[in-house]
Amino acid sequence: GAGVSQSPSNKVTEKGKDVELRCDPISGHTALYWYRQSLGQGLEFLIYFQGNSAPDKSGLPSDRFSAERTGGSVSTLTIQRTQQEDSAVYLCASSLRSTAGGYTFGSGTRLTVV
Amino acid sequence: AQTVTQSQPEMSVQEAETVTLSCTYDTSESDYYLFWYKQPPSRQMILVIRQEAYKQQNATENRFSVNFQKAAKSFSLKISDSQLGDAAMYFCAYRSQSNFGNEKLTFGTGTRLTIIP
Repeated sequence: GAGVSQSPSNKVTEKGKDVELRCDPISGHTALYWYRQSLGQGLEFLIYFQGNSAPDKSGLPSDRFSAERTGGSVSTLTIQRTQQEDSAVYLCASSLRSTAGGYTFGSGTRLTVV
Repeated sequence: AQTVTQSQPEMSVQEAETVTLSCTYDTSESDYYLFWYKQPPSRQMILVIRQEAYKQQNATENRFSVNFQKAAKSFSLKISDSQLGDAAMYFCAYRSQSNFGNEKLTFGTGTRLTIIP
């Protein structure tokens, strides 16, 4: 596609439920990133995928968070047993490996846990 | 670990005037990249300008320019001839050059810029 697509745009879920957030990167972009943006905060790195290499999961805040990237393209971020502190905007970005920081971001998913 | 600090949570400027947004960072590395991103209400982060640390010349993109002071670890963004469309959150970000293959960005907490008509 022309840009990075994220779905859903907004998600309201009850505390304790599982949620899945989807990211469809730009075709041909080998690198994919997930970031979390809490209210009034900057972007917090969550996880990074690069081609067939093992992902860098160093930013995942707890074992309730996981992500996968199928076929080197679409990625799904899963949050199990959601908590109110998980409420945030989840942003996905993709890039060509050789690009010095030239990410293209999606518009994010706003997750609200009630 | 690297940190990025934006000490101005909010700034405002009259339309057509010039405004400067501040950013400082902390790193022990000598090679790295610095960025300014703009986030309008649509939430999508848009790259405004990029600076390579090894370059002494300050980057410029049309009305946007930076003042990069490597020794002081300062990276401010100047917006000239401010326009209503410049209203947004602005984030400063750092990326290490040493971790080739993981282009992870470290972001500041942002500055909300308001343009006064």
